Amino acid sequence: GESVGLHLPTLSVQEGDNSIINCAYSNSASDYFIWYKQESGKGPQFIIDIRSNMDKRQGQRVTVLLNKTVKHLSLQIAATQPGDSAVYFCAEGAGTALIFGKGTTLSVSS
Amino acid sequence: GAGVSQSPSNKVTEKGKDVELRCDPISGHTALYWYRQRLGQGLEFLIYFQGNSAPDKSGLPSDRFSAERTGESVSTLTIQRTQQEDSAVYLCASSRNSRGTGNTIYFGEGSWLTVV
Repeated sequence: GESVGLHLPTLSVQEGDNSIINCAYSNSASDYFIWYKQESGKGPQFIIDIRSNMDKRQGQRVTVLLNKTVKHLSLQIAATQPGDSAVYFCAEGAGTALIFGKGTTLSVSS
Repeated sequence: GAGVSQSPSNKVTEKGKDVELRCDPISGHTALYWYRQRLGQGLEFLIYFQGNSAPDKSGLPSDRFSAERTGESVSTLTIQRTQQEDSAVYLCASSRNSRGTGNTIYFGEGSWLTVV
């Protein structure tokens, strides 16, 4: 069945380090993937997306990598800052709705 | 408006009462989604509206849950005879067109529902 999961529920990094958050998906028909950031008490905030015809996409300080062979998605955050502390969700779509994973909590210490 | 607007932001209700949650999507967005998020969990899809097409209700957990949308405007999610397990954040999102085209989906801040 369809499922989206994250390899680690929590990730702790030092300020200035690069962070890598991983996500595995199971539906090979998924054609669209998104990363969201959710701060405490707020709604999910769009970070970056990628279509299945791409394997890499870059934004400001963030890069998303897609490996369709092993159904793996990752979010790289460069020079992580305390303001990056949040829960990060990946989501996949192959039909009407996005399917979300449970999220990875990123903690950034100064 | 500038973003997806939801109301109320917080709602405490007694078990057995009905509640209505409102969502104003971003102007011009034809697609509208409702999700539920329990504490510390991911987002569960509830329902999807796209223009005047029949909504995708496949995620509604029971017949106590229903949602309406008039045209491409406001949507209302109704939960009848609320139960304690309905306590969650209800998130609304919208996008310019069908998700299948990869249009960015924007979320509101959510309506926090507590059933006591």
